[in-house]
Amino acid sequence: DAGVIQSPRHEVTEMGQEVTLRCKPISGHNSLFWYRQTMMRGLELLIYFNNNVPIDDSGMPEDRFSAKMPNASFSTLKIQPSEPRDSAVYFCASSLVGTSGSSGREQYFGPGTRLTVT
Amino acid sequence: GENVEQHPSTLSVQEGDSAVIKCTYSDSASNYFPWYKQELGKRPQLIIDIRSNVGEKKDQRIAVTLNKTAKHFSLHITETQPEDSAVYFCAASQAGRRALTFGSGTRLQVQP
Repeated sequence: DAGVIQSPRHEVTEMGQEVTLRCKPISGHNSLFWYRQTMMRGLELLIYFNNNVPIDDSGMPEDRFSAKMPNASFSTLKIQPSEPRDSAVYFCASSLVGTSGSSGREQYFGPGTRLTVT
Repeated sequence: GENVEQHPSTLSVQEGDSAVIKCTYSDSASNYFPWYKQELGKRPQLIIDIRSNVGEKKDQRIAVTLNKTAKHFSLHITETQPEDSAVYFCAASQAGRRALTFGSGTRLQVQP
């Protein structure tokens, strides 16, 4: 298996521009997570999906951030308009969770997208 | 929500010594506790995890212990090697909530 795939690996954009980050989870996994990592705030959960449905988006900073998962093999995180404080590494992770919610739960991270907003 | 605190923030040991990293969590409903290792510029990688129905788990040179009563868990690395140098994150997850709450990380430096 190729693992979790993210694109682009690096993104440099100007303030005010729209940014779209992409993620392909591990085939067969039913949960997908978007995290943001910064020196100041560490690893923060932004949103997660179960069976393509958003379950918890309480970590999404503000309305400028949106995420979608149109099918089991693809998700996007969009920032519009972007701001310099959005500069961070954005990780996507996936896991396989059983119906009871207690099995599996090992999360596998993608390589991340390093976003720089100038 | 869950809050995870991790100590120390930095740890320097000599090669061959043991290293211990400690975490506490706030929500007694949490029942899954993974540890991740992140090398510079790389993704976090799961190295070991423990569920609340066991008190200890070991995998070669690494072990994790869990004290549910005190709500803390620890990572133990024995016979440390320079390639163990990295940032280590603990995390906790509540039953029924699949997302992880991460600690702030510990930068481990193993001196040759």
